[in-house]
Amino acid sequence: DTEVTQTPKHLVMGMTNKKSLKCEQHMGHRAMYWYKQKAKKPPELMFVYSYEKLSINESVPSRFSPECPNSSLLNLHLHALQPEDSALYLCASSQEPMGQGLDGEQFFGPGTRLTVL
Amino acid sequence: SQQGEEDPQALSIQEGENATMNCSYKTSINNLQWYRQNSGRGLVHLILIRSNEREKHSGRLRVTLDTSKKSSSLLITASRAADTASYFCATALAYGGSQGNLIFGKGTKLSVKP
Repeated sequence: DTEVTQTPKHLVMGMTNKKSLKCEQHMGHRAMYWYKQKAKKPPELMFVYSYEKLSINESVPSRFSPECPNSSLLNLHLHALQPEDSALYLCASSQEPMGQGLDGEQFFGPGTRLTVL
Repeated sequence: SQQGEEDPQALSIQEGENATMNCSYKTSINNLQWYRQNSGRGLVHLILIRSNEREKHSGRLRVTLDTSKKSSSLLITASRAADTASYFCATALAYGGSQGNLIFGKGTKLSVKP
């Protein structure tokens, strides 16, 4: 299985809602990532999990809360979002954490299109 | 912060023609990668070139890297309508707190007309 799956594909939520995005991979990868991509812009790194531990938080507001329940799963909990948080949220994984001399490709999921009303 | 800059921002060609996209970056890198994204979908890895490599081929793709100029190019030969997509370069930084993590450039939107 060389696939990263993300659910849901689309999500519409109000500013007072709490929702979660889910990401799953069964490739045995030890690093997982959350990216945010606004329309016509490149992906921007939000969080990095290495061996199930949060290793990088790129100054993301606390209304985004990541969680890595196990080596195959990555969640992004959303609470009190703003309309400007509307974007495509991409999950990715890599065999090893980047920067350890084994830098390689990242495998991306199809993304969750989030709209905040 | 972004460190990759692609040009052109948009490129429109006829099927069968070659497409060349360029990427420049600012700081030392471990490797440079190219990704493809069909509209609003996930990214697909195309090719990775390490900082000690100068050229790499994969099928109809040819990538070059010039670390002295901090630039890379992606050549797609004999383009097809199915190559229509956005193409991003991504650099894996060699130093600093974000060492190894990918920083994406702004992308080139390629349109191949049948």
